[in-house]
Amino acid sequence: DAGITQSPRHKVTETGTPVTLRCHQTENHRYMYWYRQDPGHGLRLIHYSYGVKDTDKGEVSDGYSVSRSKTEDFLLTLESATSSQTSVYFCAISESTRNPGELFFGEGSRLTVL
Amino acid sequence: QQQVKQSPQSLIVQKGGISIINCAYENTAFDYFPWYQQFPGKGPALLIAIRPDVSEKKEGRFTISFNKSAKQFSLHIMDSQPGDSATYFCAALRSNDYKLSFGAGTTVTVRA
Repeated sequence: DAGITQSPRHKVTETGTPVTLRCHQTENHRYMYWYRQDPGHGLRLIHYSYGVKDTDKGEVSDGYSVSRSKTEDFLLTLESATSSQTSVYFCAISESTRNPGELFFGEGSRLTVL
Repeated sequence: QQQVKQSPQSLIVQKGGISIINCAYENTAFDYFPWYQQFPGKGPALLIAIRPDVSEKKEGRFTISFNKSAKQFSLHIMDSQPGDSATYFCAALRSNDYKLSFGAGTTVTVRA
């Protein structure tokens, strides 16, 4: 298994509170991604990073911010959580130069916003 | 707006049967088409992938068929086994920006 660790794995929070999810990799891969998974929508890209301090928005980035200060860590922050952000969040990594489109996923972080 | 449309949402097949999942896309800039398999409680994992210059790719019991002119591709699971019960996602990539777009997923149940 690729060395990807997501934390926390489960979190319940209240509307309006800030939440940070962490993704840590030991593979030294350049690309890191945050996806959310919801029934009927599959996996939707929130933000991704193509290097330290280099990030870009995905298709559902509103309400989320990210930071990558080190190669191994990619943080996803919900500044003020809403019930619509209840979801399972997956971090993924890729070394796309060899196999573009081959992403390695973490085990997911289940977030419930009450 | 989903860039990759996937059907059916779910299917049930008997052991030994064939499972077929279809996907369609509009953006002709996509140049790489992987399929991912996800078991409950786990993250998705790459199953098989194809480039648009190839019409078919087979790996074991899994085959991708690709129709570039129709902008459609499909996954066939031959001799389906109970261990194949999972959710399958098609996806598409533009190599110049490394952003992978996924279909909505198909839950496959193989009955023994």
